[in-house]
Amino acid sequence: EVVLTQSPATLSLSPGHRATLSCRASQNIAKYLAWYQQKPGQAPRLLIYGASNRAPGIPARFSGSGSGTDFTLTISRLEPEDFAVYYCQQRDDWPPYTFGRGTKLEI
Amino acid sequence: VQLQQSGPALLKPSQTLSLTCAISGDSVSSNLAAWLWFRQSPSRGLEWLGRTYYRSEWSKDYAVSVKGRISIDPDTSKNHFSLQLKSVTLEDTAVYYCAREFTPVSGLDCWGQGTLVTVSS
Repeated sequence: EVVLTQSPATLSLSPGHRATLSCRASQNIAKYLAWYQQKPGQAPRLLIYGASNRAPGIPARFSGSGSGTDFTLTISRLEPEDFAVYYCQQRDDWPPYTFGRGTKLEI
Repeated sequence: VQLQQSGPALLKPSQTLSLTCAISGDSVSSNLAAWLWFRQSPSRGLEWLGRTYYRSEWSKDYAVSVKGRISIDPDTSKNHFSLQLKSVTLEDTAVYYCAREFTPVSGLDCWGQGTLVTVSS
């Protein structure tokens, strides 16, 4: 089973700053990685699929990069609504859907 | 596309959890999409439970952690799919979500609103 390790667990930043979130896979998953945003009381929301493709309606300040075992989600200039928990998810190995434990982005 | 979940939120140990996910804007019989159930708890994080999809015939896959207790069934007449989890314990307390995977590389692009299911004696 692929284990996804997200870092840091908590990231404290101010609006307008740049956020860099990391996700490391325990084995090569090519580009089969997605990123989600989750706010309290809400379902996860797809941000990035295929490691670097923005989902429809996602602002351009969100970008994803990486392949193999190391992946990054970057938020170029934080808006107040971006403070949430972010999860990475792999789609390469069995079981076919595993998630990291999340990074909490706080003000 | 929208997914609307329904089902009871409070169960006693040994009962069966039953949830339904109604689909609008797509078809449970789609030859592209897969229909999934997840749950989320502080102890287990986001956990995949199972999926069903149609590719000229129906397929179903289940997570090892719940295999033997779980059933995911499509209903083409109502355009929904359901989750049944038998013999629940306190450890099955979680928020349950249904979701769509449009293609294997598209990510989980649509989610239900979530149902907090509490197992308590």
